[in-house]
Amino acid sequence: SQQGEEDPQALSIQEGENATMNCSYKTSINNLQWYRQNSGRGLVHLILIRSNEREKHSGRLRVTLDTSKKSSSLLITASRAADTASYFCATDAEGNTPLVFGKGTRLSVIA
Amino acid sequence: KAGVTQTPRYLIKTRGQQVTLSCSPISGHRSVSWYQQTPGQGLQFLFEYFSETQRNKGNFPGRFSGRQFSNSRSEMNVSTLELGDSALYLCASSPLPGVLYNEQFFGPGTRLTVL
Repeated sequence: SQQGEEDPQALSIQEGENATMNCSYKTSINNLQWYRQNSGRGLVHLILIRSNEREKHSGRLRVTLDTSKKSSSLLITASRAADTASYFCATDAEGNTPLVFGKGTRLSVIA
Repeated sequence: KAGVTQTPRYLIKTRGQQVTLSCSPISGHRSVSWYQQTPGQGLQFLFEYFSETQRNKGNFPGRFSGRQFSNSRSEMNVSTLELGDSALYLCASSPLPGVLYNEQFFGPGTRLTVL
């Protein structure tokens, strides 16, 4: 089964608003990453947060990690139409295990 | 640096045929991973290669196989194609293998349609 599960499955907001996506996972992890995918294309890495970190920023992105709740959130501030894409969280569990992706959140930013 | 390249970008096959997809990682990257993406199952890990050795394999039937060459280029093969194999196949490369996971660099994918 999928390690990460994103919530909501789809999100539609107006340009300039903030978008928040959540990810829950099931087992202990080393790292949690967020990726973006534009329609039918490859994924682009956004940010990585390690299990001993609680918050990380990159430009308009803010990621939090709560290992006690096994959850993470991705906040995109002042959204733009170009942010329209699917967003995936990916986790690698402890040990030699591959990245496991959630099913993603489809974000639509309306100009 | 050139990004990850995948060929072909689009492919149409019929049931029972076999297909080979190719991936060239970023120069200097020695780890290559393959993923299958479908609307129903999402992104699922197929396998990972590092220095020509398969390090990890996902839960796929033996019809799915792969290999990596000494120049780190990788191929995956699917034999006896089924309709359910229709998917976007994504390749990703990174400098290091799975236990030291950092950012993965994805190619644009190969869209396989099985008729």
